Amino acid sequence: EPEVTQTPSHQVTQMGQEVILRCVPISNHLYFYWYRQILGQKVEFLVSFYNNEISEKSEIFDDQFSVERPDGSNFTLKIRSTKLEDSAMYFCASIQPQHFGDGTRLSIL
Amino acid sequence: AQSVTQPDIHITVSEGASLELRCNYSYGATPYLFWYVQSPGQGLQLLLKYFSGDTLVQGIKGFEAEFKRSQSSFNLRKPSVHWSDAAEYFCAGKTSYDKVIFGPGTSLSVIP
Repeated sequence: EPEVTQTPSHQVTQMGQEVILRCVPISNHLYFYWYRQILGQKVEFLVSFYNNEISEKSEIFDDQFSVERPDGSNFTLKIRSTKLEDSAMYFCASIQPQHFGDGTRLSIL
Repeated sequence: AQSVTQPDIHITVSEGASLELRCNYSYGATPYLFWYVQSPGQGLQLLLKYFSGDTLVQGIKGFEAEFKRSQSSFNLRKPSVHWSDAAEYFCAGKTSYDKVIFGPGTSLSVIP
């Protein structure tokens, strides 16, 4: 069965640095999503992406965050000027049925 | 507003006992419904999903869930729990191409 793949599995970054989380969605899927899960909490929606543009974003997804599809296959989440509270698991997802990648654990030091 | 609730934060059952995890949803129309399982530090594994049709849905690992429109519920069940079932369980819902909304999760502990 096709899978959503995410890299890296774990990213450690100094506070204030920029990070890019990468996702390879299932081919032929058009809708992509990023979710965040702070340790011990529920999974929260960040942003949905369709036809190379953001279709919906949550209040969490502020100017610190951006998404793009740089080469037609990868789907990236960029976090600028990281803060301690950005430490979380970040999941990429592809639609119907909702397939999630294994996540990237982001640790901000 | 659309929401998914899981009334039980934590449940403990004995190995071999039956299990039911509760989930309620609030949507304008019948959503697509999902149950996911997450082991500590791991990703989200889809156990089963309901889109339409038969209201009793079979999933992986011996789990099943029943959709009840009258109760706005989608409870997860398993007749005999194994120690390896200890994990966090998330109910979730979505409509069409909308985002998935997750419930807060139920933590399952299994006593040997």
